[in-house]
Amino acid sequence: DQQVKQNSPSLSVQEGRISILNCDYTNSMFDYFLWYKKYPAEGPTFLISISSIKDKNEDGRFTVFLNKSAKHLSLHIVPSQPGDSAVYFCAASNFGNEKLTFGTGTRLTIIP
Amino acid sequence: EAGVVQSPRYKIIEKKQPVAFWCNPISGHNTLYWYRQNLGQGPELLIRYENEEAVDDSQLPKDRFSAERLKGVDSTLKIQPAELGDSAVYLCASSPTSRPGTQFFGPGTRLTVL
Repeated sequence: DQQVKQNSPSLSVQEGRISILNCDYTNSMFDYFLWYKKYPAEGPTFLISISSIKDKNEDGRFTVFLNKSAKHLSLHIVPSQPGDSAVYFCAASNFGNEKLTFGTGTRLTIIP
Repeated sequence: EAGVVQSPRYKIIEKKQPVAFWCNPISGHNTLYWYRQNLGQGPELLIRYENEEAVDDSQLPKDRFSAERLKGVDSTLKIQPAELGDSAVYLCASSPTSRPGTQFFGPGTRLTVL
């Protein structure tokens, strides 16, 4: 049972354009959501997060949007840069339980 | 500041052999995690330690997997005997708190079981 789903295994975007990565979840108990970025041969690194009391959180070029009614979140990267090429994982947890449930990842390729 | 250190980075063994992975967390991080990442999947938690206590090992296959964190610092994850399905990347992470988003991951150990 995949509770966190990333339905796009890969995405290619031109440099300078917006990258939009999507994530859906099924467990209504999840109330905290995170995005991790992973380069080859490295561990995932934390990128940005959002609590369920918000619907948007920004950090520089990265913005995460949360639609609780649709159980959907998205990560927007604008403008996209070549260094953004990586695998992006969506993850979720619920308050009081620090366990993270990860999605399957989306490989983002930024085309120069 | 040094990050999470894992060794070895790569390991190839034959099935039924034992294997062990070592993790040294970031200094001062009391919480340590072991994850398994299968090909094309996201990381899945195997075990979480608070200092030397395993507070969540519900996903650890205890018939063949064991872990320890003596003295609440570095940790070892062992598989005995290994099976073909154990081929994966084993990630260690540490955090100064238990809050989500504060985990720092190591580079992982890629295990191949032949």
